[in-house]
Amino acid sequence: DSGVTQTPKHLITATGQRVTLRCSPRSGDLSVYWYQQSLDQGLQFLIQYYNGEERAKGNILERFSAQQFPDLHSELNLSSLELGDSALYFCASSSAGSGNTIYFGEGSWLTVV
Amino acid sequence: LAKTTQPISMDSYEGQEVNITCSHNNIATNDYITWYQQFPSQGPRFIIQGYKTKVTNEVASLFIPADRKSSTLSLPRVSLSDTAVYYCLVGENSGNTPLVFGKGTRLSVIA
Repeated sequence: DSGVTQTPKHLITATGQRVTLRCSPRSGDLSVYWYQQSLDQGLQFLIQYYNGEERAKGNILERFSAQQFPDLHSELNLSSLELGDSALYFCASSSAGSGNTIYFGEGSWLTVV
Repeated sequence: LAKTTQPISMDSYEGQEVNITCSHNNIATNDYITWYQQFPSQGPRFIIQGYKTKVTNEVASLFIPADRKSSTLSLPRVSLSDTAVYYCLVGENSGNTPLVFGKGTRLSVIA
């Protein structure tokens, strides 16, 4: 158990819909990261937050957005969903000064039908 | 982040020692070398991190030569459960630059 909690674990939704994925980082971790992993694809970095502020942005689509709340939990919002958005979405967290040691949650499986 | 190059795949028999080498010619002075392991449908798991020479923990050893342009992850006496993808990452430890994972090395352990 990494200490990073993600919900929901699985969800199925239709094209054009919107979903929200939730992440609770490890206790005390200020950084939260979101990654996307499609079948047979590598881990794609989407976005990073640090203590509520966006710190880095990767290959995140404009249809996707995220935020980190004052209690440090984070949400990833995916809208106007397409079939190609079906993937495993991981959240990870790290403590300050240990950016290379990040702890991943179990992921949220999103299936768009 | 420094670019890394590692083999796409490796096969090994159970009980053997496995060494996975990663090249990172452009490593910077402040960069650390970190290895992760990922099982199917699970998030990557931190294995080991080092800056120079040798680091050992209960899971693996990491060997880093003096020029730091490469590193070798050593897994002693692998078992079937070590079948996974192993990622080598190089970057500073500040957290200012997010980790970008490459394709990793797919290790298959055969009975």
